Amino acid sequence: QVVLTQSPSASASLGASVKLTCTLSSGHKSYAIAWHQQQPQKGPRFLMKLNSDGSHSKGDGIPDRFSGSSSGAERYLTISSLQSEDEADYYCQTWGTGVIWVFGGGTKLTVL
Amino acid sequence: QVQMVESGGGVVQPGRSLRLSCVASGFTFSSYVMHWVRQAPGKGLDWVAVTWYNGTSKSYADSVMGRFTISRDNSKNTLYLQMNNLRAEDTAVYYCARDSGEHYLDYWGQGILVTVSS
Repeated sequence: QVVLTQSPSASASLGASVKLTCTLSSGHKSYAIAWHQQQPQKGPRFLMKLNSDGSHSKGDGIPDRFSGSSSGAERYLTISSLQSEDEADYYCQTWGTGVIWVFGGGTKLTVL
Repeated sequence: QVQMVESGGGVVQPGRSLRLSCVASGFTFSSYVMHWVRQAPGKGLDWVAVTWYNGTSKSYADSVMGRFTISRDNSKNTLYLQMNNLRAEDTAVYYCARDSGEHYLDYWGQGILVTVSS
């Protein structure tokens, strides 16, 4: 069954860029994923769907500062010109055989 | 605009039951697959269950299979989660979420807290 792996934490300075990684388990590198943002004390918010070829489609109102890319089994979320409100947890999500939906463990982003 | 509002949470003793509701608006509810996702305190997101358009097809996470039942009433634009035989480990914020149609979740509710404790 597909497993998504994320680093528990990341940090970057205000105004800088950061690249978060979601890794698909062996045998699943063709899978598309979705990225979700969860700001403190809020519900999750869909950011984008990201395909294996790096093409992506963003959710309503998601700024251009958020972009996605792919390489092999890795799926990336890049946030440029970091703002304080970008400090949040970021989750990747996919779907597997046996009709299940799967989330990565999440990355807590700190904006310094 | 798309909106989903959960209700029905609270504190319940182990072994008891609770039913959550999620009222949707701003889209044609019957045309979308709908999910429940939960988040234990301080933990990550955990998919719980899904129901397809007319409610006849459903799927569950192993952790809730046989105890939880997802259902929907398209005439009321409402998604439900009947939770029976609750355990302490079911303590979480429960979110309803809409499926985009391409298997990713594109809109989320604000969540409702369920606490299972004696």
